[in-house]
Amino acid sequence: EPEVTQTPSHQVTQMGQEVILRCVPISNHLYFYWYRQILGQKVEFLVSFYNNEISEKSEIFDDQFSVERPDGSNFTLKIRSTKLEDSAMYFCASTGGNMANEKLFFGSGTQLSVL
Amino acid sequence: ILNVEQSPQSLHVQEGDSTNFTCSFPSSNFYALHWYRWETAKSPEALFVMTLNGDEKKKGRISATLNTKEGYSYLYIKGSQPEDSATYLCASSPPGTYKYIFGTGTRLKVLA
Repeated sequence: EPEVTQTPSHQVTQMGQEVILRCVPISNHLYFYWYRQILGQKVEFLVSFYNNEISEKSEIFDDQFSVERPDGSNFTLKIRSTKLEDSAMYFCASTGGNMANEKLFFGSGTQLSVL
Repeated sequence: ILNVEQSPQSLHVQEGDSTNFTCSFPSSNFYALHWYRWETAKSPEALFVMTLNGDEKKKGRISATLNTKEGYSYLYIKGSQPEDSATYLCASSPPGTYKYIFGTGTRLKVLA
């Protein structure tokens, strides 16, 4: 069964450093998302991406965050200057269409720890 | 602000027991309701997506209902098994948006 893959599974970084989280969505999917879950809190929407541009973003997704689809397969989330509060599990997801009744296909997540 | 709530936060049941959880969402700003099952160290996996008031969906021993007028959905597990142990997440997506708003989840532990 096709799946969303994320790398790395764990990332430890120093505060102020840049990190790039990588995702390979399901190959025929067109809509891509990043979500995150800070320990003990809800899964939070960060950004959605379609046709090489951001469709929607949350208030969390400030200028320190960016997304890119550098080639036909990868979808990346960059955090320019990490803060302690960026420590979370980051999930990539994709859907085939843009209807809200499309189920999300999630990757297994990247656990980001900012020290 | 769309707020999705789930209860209970956690639940322990004995193998063979049936159980249910609740997801509540604002009925005035609704398009679709999703249920996901999230096992430890795995990715969340979609169980159901429902859009219509009165919808009922079933997958094996798991079923879900939807009441959009009052803003709630129930997830039922019949004859719980240890492999049902997981966190069950619901998410609501309002119309005209790409975002899915998640609840805090219900952590289910089925004791053998």
